[in-house]
Amino acid sequence: SQTIHQWPATLVQPVGSPLSLECTVEGTSNPNLYWYRQAAGRGLQLLFYSVGIGQISSEVPQNLSASRPQDRQFILSSKKLLLSDSGFYLCAWSENRAWYFGPGTRLTVT
Amino acid sequence: DAKTTQPPSMDCAEGRAANLPCNHSTISGNEYVYWYRQIHSQGPQYIIHGLKNNETNEMASLIITEDRKSSTLILPHATLRDTAVYYCIVSYSNTDKLIFGTGTRLQVFP
Repeated sequence: SQTIHQWPATLVQPVGSPLSLECTVEGTSNPNLYWYRQAAGRGLQLLFYSVGIGQISSEVPQNLSASRPQDRQFILSSKKLLLSDSGFYLCAWSENRAWYFGPGTRLTVT
Repeated sequence: DAKTTQPPSMDCAEGRAANLPCNHSTISGNEYVYWYRQIHSQGPQYIIHGLKNNETNEMASLIITEDRKSSTLILPHATLRDTAVYYCIVSYSNTDKLIFGTGTRLQVFP
């Protein structure tokens, strides 16, 4: 069966520090992969999606970037974090018109 | 642009049916209706989806009106564990993006 992993589960980082969040999917090949963010008390915002290795589409302009170095690996990065980057980051994959979400990473920028 | 309208909150007594409405008056012929829910601090969980026929699975039933401009998610026997934010989403069949709105916060009470 397919599973999706995200790490770390929680992270506290100072403003201006770099960020790297990782997502991996098991049990499937060539999935569509997604990064979402949920700010405190807000809905889920689609940040990036990828239909294949090296193919990244950005949904909103922001301080973040995404990369897909391997088929089942999706990385969310930032060179310098802002306070507004705090939130709950969710990775998801889709197959056959169904989307599946990971457990999420809660990021607090201080 | 979420393209759906849902009431912000609803209450339901435990053991009763919860009927969650969704308006999607601008839906086009190749767009699916999806329902997800998010329990606090977790990733969204897939519930059900449909195109034009009513659908039922082990979690819920989805009733789509004949003109497809609205739908209702039915949880037949709500439990306390069904307390969550429920999202109704429409998605093109060929874009593979899931855009969340603000959802309905369902509170199931004893």
